[in-house]
Amino acid sequence: GGIITQTPKFLIGQEGQKLTLKCQQNFNHDTMYWYRQDSGKGLRLIYYSITENDLQKGDLSEGYDASREKKSSFSLTVTSAQKNEMAVFLCASRQNTEVFFGKGTRLTVV
Amino acid sequence: QQQVRQSSQSLTVWEGETAILNCSYENSAFDYFPWYQQFPGEGPALLIAIRSVSDKKEDGRFTIFFNKREKNLSLHIKDSQPGDSATYFCAASPASSSFSKLVFGQGTSLSVVP
Repeated sequence: GGIITQTPKFLIGQEGQKLTLKCQQNFNHDTMYWYRQDSGKGLRLIYYSITENDLQKGDLSEGYDASREKKSSFSLTVTSAQKNEMAVFLCASRQNTEVFFGKGTRLTVV
Repeated sequence: QQQVRQSSQSLTVWEGETAILNCSYENSAFDYFPWYQQFPGEGPALLIAIRSVSDKKEDGRFTIFFNKREKNLSLHIKDSQPGDSATYFCAASPASSSFSKLVFGQGTSLSVVP
């Protein structure tokens, strides 16, 4: 078995701040994802990557950057945090049809 | 535009009842339909999935019924237990994307009352 580790678990940022979320997987999966989870809105795809150094925009990519420098890691940057923003960011990786998720990073912007 | 819709944001059933969670979709190209289960503080985990060539998939107490013509599907949880209380996400993916792009519904929060 493998695991997806997201750091930090909780992130408090200031309005306008640039914030970076990190994700590591030891499944050796090629495809990785970043999803945003808001209450009542489900999971929305921000970025995904099908291999090292590849980046594909999802439906919610505006306001975010991503980086996949190694197969095992995928980071997400909030370029300018919005005041009162609260969401959970979920990292995931895929093998065949199954997507495996990390436990999430909970972001609060004050 | 919500491509995958779950009809209820929340659902409460008594222990032992069958919980029915409904989902509909718009894109005819969707071919693969997984249901994910999420407990508080955890990431979603794959529960059961169906391909559009089938109309039913069963795994223990969990069954998916799929209607391609009507573009809807439902997850039935037989003999519901308090431990089934969680949020359930319906999702869909077109085979043409090599399953890379998974679109999720809004989720249904299920409470099973003892």
